[in-house]
Order: sequence, then structure tokens, then C-alpha cells
Amino acid sequence: DAKTTQPNSMESNEEEPVHLPCNHSTISGTDYIHWYRQLPSQGPEYVIHGLTSNVNNRMASLAIAEDRKSSTLILHRATLRDAAVYYCILRDDLIFGNEKLTFGTGTRLTIIP
Amino acid sequence: EAQVTQNPRYLITVTGKKLTVTCSQNMNHEYMSWYRQDPGLGLRQIYYSMNVEVTDKGDVPEGYKVSRKEKRNFPLILESPSPNQTSLYFCASSLIWPGSEAFFGQGTRLTVV
Repeated sequence: DAKTTQPNSMESNEEEPVHLPCNHSTISGTDYIHWYRQLPSQGPEYVIHGLTSNVNNRMASLAIAEDRKSSTLILHRATLRDAAVYYCILRDDLIFGNEKLTFGTGTRLTIIP
Repeated sequence: EAQVTQNPRYLITVTGKKLTVTCSQNMNHEYMSWYRQDPGLGLRQIYYSMNVEVTDKGDVPEGYKVSRKEKRNFPLILESPSPNQTSLYFCASSLIWPGSEAFFGQGTRLTVV
């Protein structure tokens, strides 16, 4: 699976939008972009995923660049509960059974009250 | 409620004393896996299973065994634990499907002295 690059840490004020970037310049055509987060003392939690088009769900939005070499996870209104490490993961989901998630170091998001 | 349940949450044991960490999921997922999380190394996959009686090694399988006799259960066995297996362990499950969401357990913090 291709590699991703994320900033080590970011800070944001409570109740403001947060844009978490991820670069994946070597992404292949069948790589899906997955985002997970890990809150303190918990297991990773699914946030969102996409392939080519922008995606929205109740937790966040995922904006994917037209060339797919980068993406941005958007939290529309950050709360203190969003403080976590966010992982951007590429996975070739068209390979049968390839469900392994390869976690990098992620971005540690701090929310300032 | 969809969940992955691990037990125990915390365990301190001595070198060489066999132990089992249990994992159970209630979502009828085919795919289950074990990860360990260590500072500076992130989450790494230990073993995975694509269905009952089908298991395979992940990235760091040495010193571990698994079994998948029932679809819902995927225990992790340490036959002779050593201090380098001190870690935070997570069990995960998912469907085998593009974009499938992985559900993680709450984690088991194991200390081997």
C-alpha cells in the first residue's frame, strides 16, 4: 500500500472547523483513502473513507484532490471530544481480503477551549 | 450495539506463563485481526483471519498464536510470554468488502515481567 504523509500535530479552537491534510503522492488507482482516529485510552475508530469523490457523513467530510495525490479531513465544528490522533490510511480495497490497515504516526489534534 | 469485546483490559504476568486474550464480535464479520501498539512504532498487525479456520500471519507474528473456531471469536495466545511482548493489544473486525469499516476493541494492556 502507498505511503501517506501527515503533520505530526495540529491545534484548533473549539467550535471552529478543522482541516487535517494528508499527502499521498504515490496513490494507485485502486487505493481507497481511509481515515481513523484514536481517542485517548481507546481503540481506533472509523471516521470516513473515499475513493475519488468528496464524501460526507455525520462525523466529518473528506475532500479528495482531483489528482488524488492529497486529501483533507474536515471536522466542521470541533469539540473537545474530537481531540485525538487522526490517521490517514491508503488501502487497495479491490484486492480480496486485503483488510489490513497500515497505520502511520498520524496527526495529533489538540482542541483549545 | 455493534461491538468488539476484548478481555481482559489489563493484565500483568510473568515471563513464560501462558496466557490468552479473548476477542469477540457481534456483527457476523468474516475478517478479524490482532494489532499491537507500541510507542514510536504505531499499530502493527500480528495475525488475521478471513473466516472460520482460516488464519494467517501479519507483520509481527513471532511469539503469538491464534485460532478461529467460531466466527465471532478470535483469541490471541501467548504460549511463553516475554518482556518484549509488553504492549497494548487491539482486536478488530470487519466485513470483507471495499471500504468496509473496521471496528476495534477497547484494548488490552499487557505487561510481562
